[in-house]
Amino acid sequence: AQKITQTQPGMFVQEKEAVTLDCTYDTSDPSYGLFWYKQPSSGEMIFLIYQGSYDQQNATEGRYSLNFQKARKSANLVISASQLGDSAMYFCAMREGVNYGQNFVFGPGTRLSVLP
Amino acid sequence: DGGITQSPKYLFRKEGQNVTLSCEQNLNHDAMYWYRQDPGQGLRLIYYSQIVNDFQKGDIAEGYSVSREKKESFPLTVTSAQKNPTAFYLCASRTETASNQPQHFGDGTRLSIL
Repeated sequence: AQKITQTQPGMFVQEKEAVTLDCTYDTSDPSYGLFWYKQPSSGEMIFLIYQGSYDQQNATEGRYSLNFQKARKSANLVISASQLGDSAMYFCAMREGVNYGQNFVFGPGTRLSVLP
Repeated sequence: DGGITQSPKYLFRKEGQNVTLSCEQNLNHDAMYWYRQDPGQGLRLIYYSQIVNDFQKGDIAEGYSVSREKKESFPLTVTSAQKNPTAFYLCASRTETASNQPQHFGDGTRLSIL
């Protein structure tokens, strides 16, 4: 079974509007972390935002925020005021259990296209 | 500036040939990883290493080998046993001092078959 699901293969958004990229996850471990990365066409992976399973508040980082709904096992990324430079692939990833990197799992990604 | 350097950026492999992808980091991170990315897909873990002289297989280790002789370096060899090596390869490192620490990635190597 997929541990990370990103149901939107592609998304379009108008410049300056907000967009939500979906991510649902599957784990039975009470301790986990969720990470979002951006991958431009050049290929590098850029870390955007982190949400821990015990965090009481939704994470925010500039124009990025996480809509974390623990009971629904979802961690959707919200990008406010979209810019043309936001066009990229976006990956949701989960770290399960203790703080060891081997337990990172990546979703299939969502391709975001920002329209002028 | 600290970071991760992958080389070469592009690599071509002939049939039956082994090739080695380089990954060097100066972030003083203990953990290092190799991922494979196929077009339009997510990342799949090939190998990871938490300390020098120790590494573990990931989900798709068959046809690949690694070494970790130095903290800074984690080279990946794509052997002739890997029948479909054409992909984008990403190296990452991470400090495990706190659970919120992300993986830091290199710029990747694109490997193609001649």
